[in-house]
Amino acid sequence: AQTVTQSQPEMSVQEAETVTLSCTYDTSESDYYLFWYKQPPSRQMILVIRQEAYKQQNATENRFSVNFQKAAKSFSLKISDSQLGDAAMYFCAYRSAPGTYKYIFGTGTRLKVLA
Amino acid sequence: EAGVAQSPRYKIIEKRQSVAFWCNPISGHATLYWYQQILGQGPKLLIQFQNNGVVDDSQLPKDRFSAERLKGVDSTLKIQPAKLEDSAVYLCASSLWTSGANVLTFGAGSRLTVL
Repeated sequence: AQTVTQSQPEMSVQEAETVTLSCTYDTSESDYYLFWYKQPPSRQMILVIRQEAYKQQNATENRFSVNFQKAAKSFSLKISDSQLGDAAMYFCAYRSAPGTYKYIFGTGTRLKVLA
Repeated sequence: EAGVAQSPRYKIIEKRQSVAFWCNPISGHATLYWYQQILGQGPKLLIQFQNNGVVDDSQLPKDRFSAERLKGVDSTLKIQPAKLEDSAVYLCASSLWTSGANVLTFGAGSRLTVL
């Protein structure tokens, strides 16, 4: 069975600085997708960034980028130029290959942005 | 486009009572998910629908939880009788279809407190 592990329950970053959130996963599948979702306090979860496992190039969305290491089964999120609005819970998620399409979420990392 | 609608946003009940949550996905989204998110944890899949058929309900406690998606559009999740450990946020999410990198769009969630 697939698992997703986020080992950092909480992280802090100074405004305008860079922070990296860690995620590791375990799977025997070769075809899958990885996601980072953001859940602001009392607000709904939204997609931050996604990565297809067959793509070697790391995904980038404005200030958000990932470091995808397939062999190491690692998928970290880097937030550059952190802003107060980045404060939220961040969840790493794995989506299974065709046939199940099951999403598995990690336990989350709470990011605090300090002014 | 309108987002995923959920109601009620908050519900407080006593143990052994029943409760129902409603979800209306984004128009045209064939896949609908119900997740349970206990405080401090990541979302856990309860049930996944493709149109009005069940794809995965392996983690749904069927002795007390039930869900339906009539006509392949909106969905209802019911808990009867509720237990203290059912206190959680119940998230509904939908996606266009399951193939490819189609992402989940989440509703705001329904927070249940069981006393």
